[in-house]
This record gives sequence, structure tokens and C-alpha cells, in this order.
Amino acid sequence: DSGVTQTPKHLITATGQRVTLRCSPRSGDLSVYWYQQSLDQGLQFLIQYYNGEERAKGNILERFSAQQFPDLHSELNLSSLELGDSALYFCASSVKENYGYTFGSGTRLTVV
Amino acid sequence: AQSVTQLGSHVSVSEGALVLLRCNYSSSVPPYLFWYVQYPNQGLQLLLKYTTGATLVKGINGFEAEFKKSETSFHLTKPSAHMSDAAEYFCAVSVYGGSQGNLIFGKGTKLSVKP
Repeated sequence: DSGVTQTPKHLITATGQRVTLRCSPRSGDLSVYWYQQSLDQGLQFLIQYYNGEERAKGNILERFSAQQFPDLHSELNLSSLELGDSALYFCASSVKENYGYTFGSGTRLTVV
Repeated sequence: AQSVTQLGSHVSVSEGALVLLRCNYSSSVPPYLFWYVQYPNQGLQLLLKYTTGATLVKGINGFEAEFKKSETSFHLTKPSAHMSDAAEYFCAVSVYGGSQGNLIFGKGTKLSVKP
């Protein structure tokens, strides 16, 4: 157990739908990062939050949004889902921004 | 801009043989460097990291990596491969801010271990 908790572990949904992925960071970690991992694109950085504020934005589609709440958990919202959104979505957290991340076990999203 | 290149998307070794996974980085500032391992259907786990100090870094599961500034490399090695080492390995370099978060990952190297 890495200390980073992601729910749900698996999600199957239809095209056009909206889903919410949840992440609880390791205790004491203020930064949360979201990554998408697919076979063709590899590991893609989506977005980072630090203590509730957006810190960096990567290759995140406009259909996707995220937030970090006062208790530091984070949610990634994916809407108008397409088949190509099927991937593993990872959350990671860190206490200091350049000291490496602790990853959760991911949410496998399948869009049918 | 910082970047990471992992040479070889697939590496295959025999059990008991040396494991060498190559990583070269580009950074305009002294880098922090990391190796992560990902087992099937799992998240990424930190194997080892270099921040400052000793250039030979030891990690978990018998892996080690050496920071070579002159070669801009941070290759991962293990003297004797075990079947349980079969996984995907990612090299990463830290950045300060920027549009890719604080770590830039290489594309990964999948390690196969033959009996």
C-alpha cells in the first residue's frame, strides 16, 4: 500500500457519459498529480494541484477538469467520454515538489 | 528544457544475467533523477533517486544507478536478474514548475526475464 488511494479501481462506461475519479494523497502530501497512461501515448501528465490550487497543466483535454478540496483529496472529472479516453488514470502525491512522487494503483477506465 | 531518453523500449535478459537499462537526460540545471518500476496492472513504484551527494545510488530489490554528469546519463543496473524483475521501468528528471508537472518521464523500457 503506497498510501495514495484511488477509487474506483475499475470503471466501465458508455461514450458520451461523465465520470469522476477520486484520489486521496498520502498523509502530509500537499501536491497531487494526475496522469493518463495508454498503450499508444505512454504516461501523459494531465494536471497538478498544490494545497488546493492548480499548479501546472499538461496535456489535459477541455472535456476533463480536476480540483483539490480543503482536505487535500482530488477529483478528476471526465465528460463527453470517447473511446479514446480508455486508459489507466493515475494519481500521485508528493510532500516536496522535486522529491519524487508516490503513485496510487490507478483507475482503469474503459469506454464502450 | 529538460527531457529524458530511454534507449530501448524492450530489453530481454536471462535469469541471473546483468540488467542494464539506459537513461540519458537533458537539463539546464543540476537534475534530480529517478527510476520507477511498474508491475502489470499496478502503479509506479519509486526504485531509487539521485538528488545530491554520492553519484552511485542504491535502491530497492538490488538495483542501483550511477549519475554521470559528463555523459548526462543515469543508467539502471542489477548484477543478477530475477524472474520477479520483469516489469516496465521509467526514468524521470525533475523540473521546477513548467507545463509537465515536476517530473518528466521517459517512455519506459519493458524488461523481460527468460528462465
